[in-house]
Amino acid sequence: DVKVTQSSRYLVKRTGEKVFLECVQDMDHENMFWYRQDPGLGLRLIYFSYDVKMKEKGDIPEGYSVSREKKERFSLILESASTNQTSMYLCASSLFRRYSNQPQHFGDGTRLSIL
Amino acid sequence: AQKITQTQPGMFVQEKEAVTLDCTYDTSDPSYGLFWYKQPSSGEMIFLIYQGSYDQQNATEGRYSLNFQKARKSANLVISASQLGDSAMYFCAMREGRQGAQKLVFGQGTRLTINP
Repeated sequence: DVKVTQSSRYLVKRTGEKVFLECVQDMDHENMFWYRQDPGLGLRLIYFSYDVKMKEKGDIPEGYSVSREKKERFSLILESASTNQTSMYLCASSLFRRYSNQPQHFGDGTRLSIL
Repeated sequence: AQKITQTQPGMFVQEKEAVTLDCTYDTSDPSYGLFWYKQPSSGEMIFLIYQGSYDQQNATEGRYSLNFQKARKSANLVISASQLGDSAMYFCAMREGRQGAQKLVFGQGTRLTINP
């Protein structure tokens, strides 16, 4: 079974702090994704990566950056945390395949509160 | 413009009844895929079922089936013989095009509650 592990289930930080959310997958997947989930809005893509050191902006990249130095690890960075970044953050991974029925596999999520 | 629309914020169903969760989508790409995920209160996203735009038959996986109506651009999830453990948020998502990066666009979700 695919295992996607997020470093924290719950995290509390203060405004202005630099925050790191870590995600590791163990299935040699090329693609990795970061989403945030807010009530009534579903999941919105922040950034994704289809290879080491490659990154692409998603729909809501402002205020975030990412790092992918190794294939199995994808980090989300809040450069200067603000209260409107309080949310549930979900990491996912998938195989790089065209026309594919391969689903994304998700971690358990990190519930981040910015005070 | 919303690409995936789930019009039912919440649904309440009696145990053992069948339930249909609605999903409509908007794309001009002839090649796309539709996914359904379940998210229990514990938070993890569980993949349920997939339908490709060129698939001739509606997808089925155990108690889950997908009512795919291409001309109407709808991909409704049907759960037969509902169980208490089916209570969860359900998300419809779409992959567009041939890209290998497999980006998904998600709907707002439907919260399903199964009553005993």
